[in-house]
Amino acid sequence: DTAVSQTPKYLVTQMGNDKSIKCEQNLGHDTMYWYKQDSKKFLKIMFSYNNKELIINETVPNRFSPKSPDKAHLNLHINSLELGDSAVYFCASSQRVLAGVNEQFFGPGTRLTVL
Amino acid sequence: KQEVTQIPAALSVPEGENLVLNCSFTDSAIYNLQWFRQDPGKGLTSLLLIQSSQREQTSGRLNASLDKSSGRSTLYIAASQPGDSATYLCAVTPGGGNKLTFGTGTQLKVEL
Repeated sequence: DTAVSQTPKYLVTQMGNDKSIKCEQNLGHDTMYWYKQDSKKFLKIMFSYNNKELIINETVPNRFSPKSPDKAHLNLHINSLELGDSAVYFCASSQRVLAGVNEQFFGPGTRLTVL
Repeated sequence: KQEVTQIPAALSVPEGENLVLNCSFTDSAIYNLQWFRQDPGKGLTSLLLIQSSQREQTSGRLNASLDKSSGRSTLYIAASQPGDSATYLCAVTPGGGNKLTFGTGTQLKVEL
């Protein structure tokens, strides 16, 4: 199936731990994103990579570090997890940005719970 | 700073009713607007994308319109069905950029 996939789907961990979430897309897209959906269901951009290059870095604590080994993968590593990091993290991808295009396709999400 | 608002926050309608979901944005300098649906515990499914030069897009029972100058979009759902129950999100891409700014969402319930 052509899609955006994320692993794991659920992640439960203790405060202070380090964890990673993986994302892969087989749509042939150049641009990938990480979004965070908080407890009030509000979605906000965190990072965006275009062809392995970081192009968007919103105001996110530097405990969050994205890594793109190739344009089909964008992983998110989180150090020293805090209670406030509990959320659903969505990966997305789109074709290279062209004026008026840029339809984004989302993965199923990773629900992170920090205890 | 772009802000996107959706009204109503929640809506409950009987099956078969036609309905309209509203989305407004404060900065009209957008590249496009995208409508998504999100089912509980699931990811986002793209429904329609309207480019800044377009006025509307249609897909099946869904019709989305865009009035860029007034900062508004509507999603029209014809002959609603229980399977349409979900949260509907609109999101805009700013001019020159590619990040989506999401609205607050409308939680729709279609009852038998």
